[in-house]
Amino acid sequence: EVQLVQSGAEVKKPGESLKIACKGSGYSFASYWIGWVRQMPGKGLEWMGIIYPGDSETRYSPSFQGQVTISADKSINTAYLQWGSLKASDTAMYYCAKRGIAAADSFDYWGQGTLVTVSS
Amino acid sequence: QSVLTQPPSASGTPGQRVTISCSGSSSNIGSNYVFWYQQLPGTAPKLLIYRNNQRPSGVPERFSGSKSGTSASLAISGLRSEDEADYYCAAWDDSLSGPVFGGGTKLTVL
Repeated sequence: EVQLVQSGAEVKKPGESLKIACKGSGYSFASYWIGWVRQMPGKGLEWMGIIYPGDSETRYSPSFQGQVTISADKSINTAYLQWGSLKASDTAMYYCAKRGIAAADSFDYWGQGTLVTVSS
Repeated sequence: QSVLTQPPSASGTPGQRVTISCSGSSSNIGSNYVFWYQQLPGTAPKLLIYRNNQRPSGVPERFSGSKSGTSASLAISGLRSEDEADYYCAAWDDSLSGPVFGGGTKLTVL
């Protein structure tokens, strides 16, 4: 059974750094793209970026380029999303999601989400 | 402003059939598969339809998807109260090299 399990909720202050995790199981983690999606309170889904764990090729949405860093460690089947300096506007739910195998596929499986709250 | 266009709301009474539309362009829906997700309040999105019209195991036959050109739609027949949720369409975008989403449709069961 495919599962994506994310790290727990975080409460941070503006200016602090943060790295959240997403551990995949039940499939060949290195062989599927895994992405990150932001959902701000009461809003829709926004794609942030995506990584291929097999060779760490990474692509970012123009809206998030330079704002976050996506990485992966295929030896422990885990992808990461990190911020160097958080802002209050980063407060949101963050989901990781696995992409299907076809080039024309979008995300099929989703993690449970990690709530990030940034407040002074 | 989302890349894919969905109506912000839809509604129906129990037992009715409702459809939700999703409009895109040649770089996304026109050349890639459409996926649909259901997001119940306080939960993560769940895959409802993949590759335009395929249902994952466990998704009732009441849910169906279709695609024509640069548009797609999700149909829900025999509407039930538990279908009340937000529904999102998505498609890979070749120009962006990433997925694009619709803004979401809030379905209310009256």
